[in-house]
Amino acid sequence: GENVEQHPSTLSVQEGDSAVIKCTYSDSASNYFPWYKQELGKRPQLIIDIRSNVGEKKDQRIAVTLNKTAKHFSLHITETQPEDSAVYFCAASIMEYGNKLVFGAGTILRVKS
Amino acid sequence: ETGVTQTPRHLVMGMTNKKSLKCEQHLGHNAMYWYKQSAKKPLELMFVYNFKEQTENNSVPSRFSPECPNSSHLFLHLHTLQPEDSALYLCASSLGTSGSTDTQYFGPGTRLTVL
Repeated sequence: GENVEQHPSTLSVQEGDSAVIKCTYSDSASNYFPWYKQELGKRPQLIIDIRSNVGEKKDQRIAVTLNKTAKHFSLHITETQPEDSAVYFCAASIMEYGNKLVFGAGTILRVKS
Repeated sequence: ETGVTQTPRHLVMGMTNKKSLKCEQHLGHNAMYWYKQSAKKPLELMFVYNFKEQTENNSVPSRFSPECPNSSHLFLHLHTLQPEDSALYLCASSLGTSGSTDTQYFGPGTRLTVL
């Protein structure tokens, strides 16, 4: 079936550095790509999303880029802070499943101060 | 946060017990979801309800039985579970039906341990 590959599984960066997480998907009809942040013991929360008619979207220190030709999208966090430490999940809408979301396995981001 | 609530937050049960998880959304949404979150695995969609009608059952074992009495409430009834069913069970809701691409809002989850 369709799945979403997410890399890396863990990422450690120094405070102030940038972090990049990448996801690939296989359904060329996918048109919605959200990113969720899940802090330890808390619920996943949407931090940014992008739709297929846009190549890039930015919200303060967070940006997402989408390459529909290559079928991959990335999360970019600049000027990382300790509170950015969490698990980040990407997801893609999969038309085969009636446009439902399929999630990546997650990336554990650790920001060292 | 009170948008999507879940009870209980933690549950320990034996393999012969029967228990239920409850989810309630206060957002006026029309679609509700049950996900299973296991360590180092992607979120797994279990069930989807649109306007309280079940539209998806991703090959979930019959020991998990969902119930959606109205568009604001969702239950997951559990019976004769296995230790491998231990996981975080997350409820979510979205404004549109699952065929749309509306944002899904998650509840805090129920941490289930099956002994």
